[in-house]
Amino acid sequence: AQKVTQAQTEISVVEKEDVTLDCVYETRDTTYYLFWYKQPPSGELVFLIRRNSFDEQNEISGRYSWNFQKSTSSFNFTITASQVVDSAVYFCALSESLLNSGGSNYKLTFGKGTLLTVNP
Amino acid sequence: EPEVTQTPSHQVTQMGQEVILRCVPISNHLYFYWYRQILGQKVEFLVSFYNNEISEKSEIFDDQFSVERPDGSNFTLKIRSTKLEDSAMYFCASNYRGNSPLHFGNGTRLTVT
Repeated sequence: AQKVTQAQTEISVVEKEDVTLDCVYETRDTTYYLFWYKQPPSGELVFLIRRNSFDEQNEISGRYSWNFQKSTSSFNFTITASQVVDSAVYFCALSESLLNSGGSNYKLTFGKGTLLTVNP
Repeated sequence: EPEVTQTPSHQVTQMGQEVILRCVPISNHLYFYWYRQILGQKVEFLVSFYNNEISEKSEIFDDQFSVERPDGSNFTLKIRSTKLEDSAMYFCASNYRGNSPLHFGNGTRLTVT
């Protein structure tokens, strides 16, 4: 069965600090996708990134970076120079293909989320 | 940028009543989903819909739940007889083919009293 563990329930930092959100996953699939979503206080789910299990290159997008390590089944997310607007719940998620459709139809297993509070 | 839209944003209903949550997926998307998030908890998969039929459903998606794509644009989730424990945020999502990411709507907050 798929499982995603976000061990950090809550993290509180001061603005401009760097912060890393941890995500560890379990799957028997050889091909899968990993995701991060942001859920601000308004409640919507905002897509941040998707990684293919075959692509272990780290990715940077502005102040966001992701470290995917297949050997440790981890997909950690770092925010550099955090800002108050980064305050949100962040969810890591793992995909599972549902149909033999080249991975197009899949369901996500979410972690429990990490509440990040960035204080001014 | 096209987005998934959900209506209403908040629905209050009495226990035992039927509710229909509505979603308009992104127009060229082929795969549709409903997820649920009980307040303060993680987001959970309910059902996946493709080619006018359910492709998978979770244990949560029992006989009280049904989904429908009544026309070319809407995708609905019906709860036949709501229970208190159905109170949650319900998210609709869709994606295209070719390994595209799921795009979620803003959610409908369902409150059952």
